[in-house]
Amino acid sequence: EAQVTQNPRYLITVTGKKLTVTCSQNMNHEYMSWYRQDPGLGLRQIYYSMNVEVTDKGDVPEGYKVSRKEKRNFPLILESPSPNQTSLYFCASSLTPGGAPDTQYFGPGTRLTVL
Amino acid sequence: DQQVKQNSPSLSVQEGRISILNCDYTNSMFDYFLWYKKYPAEGPTFLISISSIKDKNEDGRFTVFLNKSAKHLSLHIVPSQPGDSAVYFCAASESGNNRLAFGKGNQVVVIP
Repeated sequence: EAQVTQNPRYLITVTGKKLTVTCSQNMNHEYMSWYRQDPGLGLRQIYYSMNVEVTDKGDVPEGYKVSRKEKRNFPLILESPSPNQTSLYFCASSLTPGGAPDTQYFGPGTRLTVL
Repeated sequence: DQQVKQNSPSLSVQEGRISILNCDYTNSMFDYFLWYKKYPAEGPTFLISISSIKDKNEDGRFTVFLNKSAKHLSLHIVPSQPGDSAVYFCAASESGNNRLAFGKGNQVVVIP
Protein backbone atom coordinates (compact mmCIF):
# COMPACT_ATOMS: atom_id res chain seq x y z
CA GLU A 1 0.00 0.00 0.00
CA ALA A 2 1.34 3.40 -0.99
CA GLN A 3 1.77 5.52 2.08
CA VAL A 4 3.64 8.16 3.98
CA THR A 5 4.33 7.31 7.61
CA GLN A 6 5.30 9.63 10.42
CA ASN A 7 6.55 8.90 13.90
CA PRO A 8 5.69 9.68 16.57
CA ARG A 9 2.04 10.59 16.06
CA TYR A 10 1.91 12.47 19.34
CA LEU A 11 4.73 14.02 21.32
CA ILE A 12 4.87 16.19 24.41
CA THR A 13 8.26 17.61 25.23
CA VAL A 14 9.92 20.47 27.07
CA THR A 15 11.63 23.58 25.80
CA GLY A 16 15.16 22.97 24.57
CA LYS A 17 15.07 19.19 24.38
CA LYS A 18 16.12 18.13 20.90
CA LEU A 19 13.70 15.95 19.00
CA THR A 20 13.30 14.31 15.62
CA VAL A 21 10.10 13.48 13.79
CA THR A 22 10.63 10.79 11.21
CA CYS A 23 8.95 10.57 7.82
CA SER A 24 9.13 7.72 5.37
CA GLN A 25 7.46 7.04 2.01
CA ASN A 26 7.32 3.82 0.01
CA MET A 27 6.44 5.29 -3.40
CA ASN A 28 9.94 6.12 -4.59
CA HIS A 29 8.97 9.77 -4.73
CA GLU A 30 11.71 12.30 -5.29
CA TYR A 31 9.97 15.26 -3.73
CA MET A 32 9.22 15.45 -0.01
CA SER A 33 8.21 18.30 2.25
CA TRP A 34 7.19 19.24 5.76
CA TYR A 35 4.24 21.42 6.70
CA ARG A 36 2.85 22.72 9.91
CA GLN A 37 -0.83 23.40 10.46
CA ASP A 38 -1.93 26.03 12.94
CA PRO A 39 -5.44 27.35 13.66
CA GLY A 40 -6.31 30.23 11.36
CA LEU A 41 -3.10 29.85 9.37
CA GLY A 42 -3.70 26.72 7.33
CA LEU A 43 -0.78 24.66 6.07
CA ARG A 44 2.59 26.35 5.85
CA GLN A 45 5.62 24.73 4.30
CA ILE A 46 8.68 24.38 6.52
CA TYR A 47 11.25 22.67 4.30
CA TYR A 48 11.22 20.63 1.14
CA SER A 49 13.56 18.30 -0.67
CA MET A 50 13.83 17.73 -4.40
CA ASN A 51 15.95 14.62 -4.04
CA VAL A 52 18.65 13.00 -1.93
CA GLU A 53 20.95 15.63 -0.44
CA VAL A 54 18.89 18.45 -1.98
CA THR A 55 16.85 20.47 0.51
CA ASP A 56 15.56 24.02 0.63
CA LYS A 57 13.64 26.33 2.93
CA GLY A 58 9.92 26.78 2.72
CA ASP A 59 7.90 29.60 4.23
CA VAL A 60 8.62 29.01 7.93
CA PRO A 61 12.02 27.28 8.30
CA GLU A 62 13.22 29.02 11.46
CA GLY A 63 13.96 26.61 14.30
CA TYR A 64 13.89 23.52 12.09
CA LYS A 65 16.42 21.37 10.29
CA VAL A 66 15.97 18.55 7.82
CA SER A 67 18.12 15.97 6.11
CA ARG A 68 17.65 13.73 3.09
CA LYS A 69 20.25 11.00 3.12
CA GLU A 70 17.97 8.40 1.58
CA LYS A 71 15.20 8.85 -0.93
CA ARG A 72 12.51 7.35 1.29
CA ASN A 73 13.25 9.25 4.51
CA PHE A 74 12.98 12.92 5.36
CA PRO A 75 13.30 13.57 9.11
CA LEU A 76 12.39 16.89 10.70
CA ILE A 77 14.73 17.98 13.46
CA LEU A 78 14.02 20.52 16.18
CA GLU A 79 17.37 21.24 17.81
CA SER A 80 15.95 23.39 20.61
CA PRO A 81 12.15 23.29 20.56
CA SER A 82 10.19 26.26 21.84
CA PRO A 83 6.51 26.61 22.75
CA ASN A 84 5.75 28.44 19.49
CA GLN A 85 6.60 25.23 17.67
CA THR A 86 3.61 23.52 19.25
CA SER A 87 1.68 22.51 16.16
CA LEU A 88 0.38 19.73 13.94
CA TYR A 89 3.06 18.61 11.51
CA PHE A 90 2.55 16.87 8.18
CA CYS A 91 5.07 15.21 5.95
CA ALA A 92 4.22 14.87 2.28
CA SER A 93 5.74 13.32 -0.82
CA SER A 94 5.08 13.48 -4.53
CA LEU A 95 6.58 12.37 -7.79
CA THR A 96 6.66 15.95 -9.03
CA PRO A 97 7.25 19.08 -6.94
CA GLY A 98 4.01 20.95 -7.26
CA GLY A 99 0.63 19.96 -8.55
CA ALA A 100 0.70 18.61 -12.06
CA PRO A 101 0.45 15.86 -12.99
CA ASP A 102 1.05 14.23 -9.65
CA THR A 103 -0.23 15.31 -6.28
CA GLN A 104 1.22 15.24 -2.85
CA TYR A 105 0.52 12.35 -0.51
CA PHE A 106 0.36 13.37 3.12
CA GLY A 107 1.27 11.47 6.22
CA PRO A 108 -1.20 11.18 9.11
CA GLY A 109 0.32 14.03 11.08
CA THR A 110 2.36 14.47 14.27
CA ARG A 111 0.88 16.55 17.04
CA LEU A 112 3.71 18.20 18.93
CA THR A 113 3.34 20.06 22.20
CA VAL A 114 6.32 21.96 23.60
CA LEU A 115 5.94 22.96 27.24
CA ASP B 1 1.68 37.20 3.01
CA GLN B 2 -1.06 34.75 2.12
CA GLN B 3 -0.95 34.04 -1.61
CA VAL B 4 -3.96 31.73 -1.45
CA LYS B 5 -6.98 32.98 0.45
CA GLN B 6 -10.04 31.15 1.61
CA ASN B 7 -12.64 33.30 3.29
CA SER B 8 -15.78 32.15 5.10
CA PRO B 9 -13.98 29.65 7.34
CA SER B 10 -17.03 27.45 7.84
CA LEU B 11 -20.02 26.36 5.83
CA SER B 12 -23.08 24.40 6.87
CA VAL B 13 -25.24 22.83 4.20
CA GLN B 14 -28.17 20.45 4.13
CA GLU B 15 -27.59 16.97 2.76
CA GLY B 16 -28.43 16.84 -0.94
CA ARG B 17 -27.82 20.55 -1.52
CA ILE B 18 -24.84 22.16 -3.18
CA SER B 19 -21.71 23.19 -1.28
CA ILE B 20 -19.66 25.98 -2.83
CA LEU B 21 -16.21 26.80 -1.58
CA ASN B 22 -14.29 29.80 -2.85
CA CYS B 23 -10.61 30.49 -3.16
CA ASP B 24 -8.72 33.57 -4.33
CA TYR B 25 -5.07 33.85 -5.19
CA THR B 26 -2.71 36.75 -5.69
CA ASN B 27 0.19 35.23 -7.61
CA SER B 28 -0.54 35.43 -11.34
CA MET B 29 2.24 32.91 -11.98
CA PHE B 30 0.26 30.09 -10.37
CA ASP B 31 -0.74 27.64 -13.09
CA TYR B 32 -2.01 24.61 -11.22
CA PHE B 33 -4.66 24.52 -8.54
CA LEU B 34 -5.74 21.77 -6.23
CA TRP B 35 -8.30 21.04 -3.55
CA TYR B 36 -7.50 18.81 -0.61
CA LYS B 37 -9.89 17.34 1.90
CA LYS B 38 -8.95 16.72 5.51
CA TYR B 39 -10.69 14.69 8.17
CA PRO B 40 -9.77 15.07 11.85
CA ALA B 41 -6.70 13.07 12.90
CA GLU B 42 -5.76 12.37 9.27
CA GLY B 43 -3.52 14.00 6.71
CA PRO B 44 -5.01 15.95 3.80
CA THR B 45 -5.99 13.89 0.78
CA PHE B 46 -6.12 15.07 -2.80
CA LEU B 47 -9.60 15.75 -4.11
CA ILE B 48 -9.49 17.47 -7.49
CA SER B 49 -7.22 19.73 -9.50
CA ILE B 50 -7.28 22.07 -12.47
CA SER B 51 -4.66 23.41 -14.80
CA SER B 52 -4.66 27.07 -15.75
CA ILE B 53 -5.35 26.15 -19.37
CA LYS B 54 -8.82 24.97 -18.35
CA ASP B 55 -11.74 26.72 -16.72
CA LYS B 56 -13.57 23.68 -15.43
CA ASN B 57 -12.77 20.19 -14.25
CA GLU B 58 -15.34 17.71 -13.09
CA ASP B 59 -14.95 14.47 -11.16
CA GLY B 60 -18.17 12.87 -10.04
CA ARG B 61 -19.88 15.10 -7.51
CA PHE B 62 -16.96 17.52 -7.44
CA THR B 63 -16.37 20.31 -9.93
CA VAL B 64 -13.71 22.97 -9.81
CA PHE B 65 -14.12 26.22 -11.73
CA LEU B 66 -11.25 28.55 -12.51
CA ASN B 67 -11.56 32.23 -13.42
CA LYS B 68 -8.03 33.33 -14.24
CA SER B 69 -8.87 36.95 -14.90
CA ALA B 70 -10.39 37.22 -11.43
CA LYS B 71 -7.74 34.99 -9.86
CA HIS B 72 -10.55 32.99 -8.39
CA LEU B 73 -11.50 29.35 -8.20
CA SER B 74 -14.36 27.52 -6.62
CA LEU B 75 -15.22 23.99 -5.66
CA HIS B 76 -18.77 22.75 -6.08
CA ILE B 77 -19.96 19.62 -4.34
CA VAL B 78 -23.34 18.40 -5.48
CA PRO B 79 -25.16 16.71 -3.98
CA SER B 80 -23.50 17.16 -0.60
CA GLN B 81 -23.32 14.10 1.60
CA PRO B 82 -22.62 13.74 5.34
CA GLY B 83 -19.28 12.10 4.50
CA ASP B 84 -18.24 15.37 2.87
CA SER B 85 -18.03 17.00 6.29
CA ALA B 86 -14.36 17.93 6.51
CA VAL B 87 -11.91 20.79 6.14
CA TYR B 88 -11.16 21.69 2.53
CA PHE B 89 -7.88 23.32 1.55
CA CYS B 90 -7.27 25.18 -1.65
CA ALA B 91 -3.68 25.04 -2.94
CA ALA B 92 -1.75 26.47 -5.86
CA SER B 93 1.59 25.94 -7.51
CA GLU B 94 3.73 27.53 -10.17
CA SER B 95 5.58 25.51 -12.83
CA GLY B 96 9.27 25.42 -12.11
CA ASN B 97 8.72 26.45 -8.51
CA ASN B 98 9.04 23.76 -5.92
CA ARG B 99 6.44 25.14 -3.57
CA LEU B 100 2.77 24.50 -2.98
CA ALA B 101 0.88 27.38 -1.35
CA PHE B 102 -2.16 26.51 0.75
CA GLY B 103 -5.12 28.51 1.94
CA LYS B 104 -6.30 28.46 5.54
CA GLY B 105 -9.04 25.93 4.88
CA ASN B 106 -12.84 25.85 4.99
CA GLN B 107 -14.77 23.70 7.45
CA VAL B 108 -17.77 22.11 5.76
CA VAL B 109 -20.55 20.54 7.80
CA VAL B 110 -23.22 18.59 5.92
CA ILE B 111 -26.37 18.24 7.96
CA PRO B 112 -28.27 14.98 7.41
